[in-house]
Amino acid sequence: EDKVVQSPLSLVVHEGDTVTLNCSYEVTNFRSLLWYKQEKKAPTFLFMLTSSGIEKKSGRLSSILDKKELSSILNITATQTGDSAIYLCAIREYSSASKIIFGSGTRLSIRP
Amino acid sequence: SQTIHQWPATLVQPVGSPLSLECTVEGTSNPNLYWYRQAAGRGLQLLFYSVGIGQISSEVPQNLSASRPQDRQFILSSKKLLLSDSGFYLCAWRDRTSTDTQYFGPGTRLTVL
Repeated sequence: EDKVVQSPLSLVVHEGDTVTLNCSYEVTNFRSLLWYKQEKKAPTFLFMLTSSGIEKKSGRLSSILDKKELSSILNITATQTGDSAIYLCAIREYSSASKIIFGSGTRLSIRP
Repeated sequence: SQTIHQWPATLVQPVGSPLSLECTVEGTSNPNLYWYRQAAGRGLQLLFYSVGIGQISSEVPQNLSASRPQDRQFILSSKKLLLSDSGFYLCAWRDRTSTDTQYFGPGTRLTVL
């Protein structure tokens, strides 16, 4: 059965710290890995990764995919209270419906 | 630009009552549409997806059903709600011609009492 596992499930750090969130997957027809940030309502798209070893970066956030290890990490440097959210990792499969399988998320809390 | 709407935003329903949640997309044609449920503090579980009008695929056996009466309208229904149907319901769309990314609506928070 296809699955996406995220760790840790929950993380509390102080403002200014650097955090690394992990995502591992087992899927039959991998096409891409997606990271989303969910604050109070709808998840918002962060990154899409398709190739191993190529870092995607947006401000203080960066992510990289390791297709050999079937995993990805999301790094956030110099964290701010506005980074507090649930971070969701998801895998898109090759299929006509483009189904996306989500992990259970990492709840990140940044203390001032 | 494309926008996705969900209605209502919040709903409190008694056990055994019917349910109808609506999702509409603007600014695109023939999108793939998805219904997800998110339990408190958890990830998203795909419930249904649709690749066209009248075409519905169910991912998990459950008390819910979905319909797509128009190209940009996706409806989630139930004849009799259960306590376990409580959760945050998200609709998403994808432009199948351009991107892997799914875009989410604002969600409906359903509480069944």
